[in-house]
Amino acid sequence: EAQVTQNPRYLITVTGKKLTVTCSQNMNHEYMSWYRQDPGLGLRQIYYSMNVEVTDKGDVPEGYKVSRKEKRNFPLILESPSPNQTSLYFCASSLTPFSYEQYFGPGTRLTVT
Amino acid sequence: TQLLEQSPQFLSIQEGENLTVYCNSSSVFSSLQWYRQEPGEGPVLLVTVVTGGEVKKLKRLTFQFGDARKDSSLHITAAQPGDTGLYLCAGGGAGGTSYGKLTFGQGTILTVHP
Repeated sequence: EAQVTQNPRYLITVTGKKLTVTCSQNMNHEYMSWYRQDPGLGLRQIYYSMNVEVTDKGDVPEGYKVSRKEKRNFPLILESPSPNQTSLYFCASSLTPFSYEQYFGPGTRLTVT
Repeated sequence: TQLLEQSPQFLSIQEGENLTVYCNSSSVFSSLQWYRQEPGEGPVLLVTVVTGGEVKKLKRLTFQFGDARKDSSLHITAAQPGDTGLYLCAGGGAGGTSYGKLTFGQGTILTVHP
């Protein structure tokens, strides 16, 4: 089944404890992206990747890191999480950077206390 | 930052009524997508519009892209309870330094009562 998977689905952590949210797609998509969703603000893009080893900042990159060493994986890293990073996170992928028709993962709900 | 203003934010209607959701921007987008999201799940793509003035129909849903590619609308005819959900518009970058960026509207929460 074609899909985007994220792990974990739920995470409660404390301020400053490094964490990684994994994202994997099995559709051989070139483009991958991370978003956070907050009430009243919609989805905001954190980082995106046009292809392997190519990443760029979205609208809200502060406090986040990403890497794209393999085509299928695009992990999101929070080196020192803070409470304002409590949010619902989505990973998405699309066949090419030009199509913008994205397939989303199921989401990761992160709480930082 | 390219902004997309979506309206209304909330819509509560009775089954059988018609409704329209708007998505407006001062920026030109190369394409615009509409997604639907249900609680606990990721957004699911409904349609992509690319050409200015384009109209696409998906059963009772009609999507339109403005002539100048700065705005879009979603019209639902004879809404049903199964249409309930969060509707999101999203615009693809206009090229240049914005290429690869995707901007989402704030979303419209639609509730259709039986």
